[in-house]
Amino acid sequence: AQKVTQAQTEISVVEKEDVTLDCVYETRDTTYYLFWYKQPPSGELVFLIRRNSFDEQNEISGRYSWNFQKSTSSFNFTITASQVVDSAVYFCALSDTQGGSEKLVFGKGTKLTVNP
Amino acid sequence: NAGVTQTPKFQVLKTGQSMTLQCAQDMNHEYMSWYRQDPGMGLRLIHYSVGAGITDQGEVPNGYNVSRSTTEDFPLRLLSAAPSQTSVYFCASRPLRQGGNTIYFGEGSWLTVV
Repeated sequence: AQKVTQAQTEISVVEKEDVTLDCVYETRDTTYYLFWYKQPPSGELVFLIRRNSFDEQNEISGRYSWNFQKSTSSFNFTITASQVVDSAVYFCALSDTQGGSEKLVFGKGTKLTVNP
Repeated sequence: NAGVTQTPKFQVLKTGQSMTLQCAQDMNHEYMSWYRQDPGMGLRLIHYSVGAGITDQGEVPNGYNVSRSTTEDFPLRLLSAAPSQTSVYFCASRPLRQGGNTIYFGEGSWLTVV
């Protein structure tokens, strides 16, 4: 069965520090997708990135970067020069494809607090 | 284009009461789903649908019913609310044909059962 593990329950950093959020996944599918979502204190879920299993290129978007390594089944998320507005719960998720109906399997989330 | 709309945003129920959480999307997405979010548990799939007239169970379906009479709407029914159903509920949708594409979430519904 598919599984996503975010071992870090809570992380606290000081503004401008770099921080990496870990995500390890398990799947037997050869084709799958990985996602990161941000949930700020207001509660909505904000899509950050989608990566398919055939694309292992790292991606950078501003202060955000993602490191996808199939060899270690990891999809880690790094925030460079963190800001207070980055404070949120971050979820890693894996698409679960069964019979063509995809479902997202979420990790339990990592709560990031960025202190001024 | 409103995206995924959930109502109500907040609701307090007494144990044993019934209610329906509404979810509507205006993007003509075939796939719709309901998740619940509990502290330390992440989001867990309750039910999902791949099109009108088709529904299936997710990870935690007990205590919930769904139906999909139209492409746009996917209501979640609690027939007899229990305190264990106190949670935040998210409805989501995406186009079915674009496999693995972005899933769009509603803003969430905060439900408290006392």
